Amino acid sequence: NAGVTQTPKFRILKIGQSMTLQCTQDMNHNYMYWYRQDPGMGLKLIYYSVGAGITDKGEVPNGYNVSRSTTEDFPLRLELAAPSQTSVYFCASSLAQSGGQFFGPGTRLTVL
Amino acid sequence: KNEVEQSPQNLTAQEGEFITINCSYSVGISALHWLQQHPGGGIVSLFMLSSGKKKHGRLIATINIQEKHSSLHITASHPRDSAVYICAVSGGMGNSGGSNYKLTFGKGTLLTVNP
Repeated sequence: NAGVTQTPKFRILKIGQSMTLQCTQDMNHNYMYWYRQDPGMGLKLIYYSVGAGITDKGEVPNGYNVSRSTTEDFPLRLELAAPSQTSVYFCASSLAQSGGQFFGPGTRLTVL
Repeated sequence: KNEVEQSPQNLTAQEGEFITINCSYSVGISALHWLQQHPGGGIVSLFMLSSGKKKHGRLIATINIQEKHSSLHITASHPRDSAVYICAVSGGMGNSGGSNYKLTFGKGTLLTVNP
């Protein structure tokens, strides 16, 4: 199993550009999450999904959108990139509601 | 909202030393997680516990529910243990509406073990 994979690993965007961060897991996990990690801060939950077709906002959803059309994929969309979105983004998944989470390798995004 | 505090923020040790990292939280939880983030950035789940103690190799995690406190211990530390150790909690009133799957994270403890 590849676990949780994320693409791209690095990206530089200009203000106002859009992009999609891809996340795929091959463990048949129902629960998937997007986090951002800023220097000196704990990970913050952006959006999460409890199954295909079901998504909900986390702690810091503004400026982002998600979709969950399949169990495997949970892409994160930035519509109008802003410098405040410069961060490292992690996707994670878990099998059960109370299970441990498996993390992807992260995407380092810089918005200039 | 649950507040998760870790101490110390930074810790430098010599190889072989016994290490303790602490985590406290403000309201009741269903589980506490310890994660490790290596310099390359990848995050790995080490432990998930809701009571007592768990051991895996040289790592030991304990939790005291009454005191709302957990510790992560590393015995016989090694330079390869150098990483950021992150505490996170799930569930419980005041934490994401009681959801067991949504985590609240501490800011992490940067551990450096010198040879």
